[in-house]
Amino acid sequence: QVQLVQSGGEVKKPGASVKVSCKASGFPFTNYVMHWVRQAPGQRLEWMGWINTAYDNTKYSQKFQGRVTITRDTSASTAYMELSSLRSEDTALYYCARERSRTFDCWGLGTLVTVSS
Amino acid sequence: QSALTQPASVSGSPGQSITISCTGTSSDVGGYNYVSWYQQHPDKAPKLMIYDVTNRPSGVSNRFSGSKSGNTASLTISGLQAEDEADYYCCSYTISSTWVFGGGTQLTVL
Repeated sequence: QVQLVQSGGEVKKPGASVKVSCKASGFPFTNYVMHWVRQAPGQRLEWMGWINTAYDNTKYSQKFQGRVTITRDTSASTAYMELSSLRSEDTALYYCARERSRTFDCWGLGTLVTVSS
Repeated sequence: QSALTQPASVSGSPGQSITISCTGTSSDVGGYNYVSWYQQHPDKAPKLMIYDVTNRPSGVSNRFSGSKSGNTASLTISGLQAEDEADYYCCSYTISSTWVFGGGTQLTVL
């Protein structure tokens, strides 16, 4: 079945970077665009960016431009999201999601990133 | 890109109908039929309920329906059930090839 399995939670210090992975199974990875969405505690969903897994092009939200990098490894059917210069406000659940015709039809369970000194 | 505007909360009794609005601009909601709605229960990942404004994925109850008029999309839930109590988010594709979510609406079933 279609599944997105994300890496485990991380605790980072302010100023550090974090890299979260999202392993896809049950569908042809390179047929889909993969997105990253985050949700701070008690807050709304916030779109971060996408990667076209076939052509390796990306698009990021202006809010995260310069701090976020989304990559993929087609041999491992895995997408990655790296966020740098972390601050306390980046403490959130980070979700990967598969796009199907401009819709997020499948979501990972989320990875909690905690930024604390 | 500012968040789409949703009411913070709505409520209804079992069996009643409720509607959640989602207001954007002509650069997102009004410009494309790519509005989707997601249900999120506490500590769970979002679940797709409506896509392309009006379409329901397989497995989603027909009590859920979507519509759009101008820059405002709406989600209607009829025959409210206790299990519908959750947060609901709208989402739209935008003119910049990005996506934007609404602020979220907490639905309480009284």
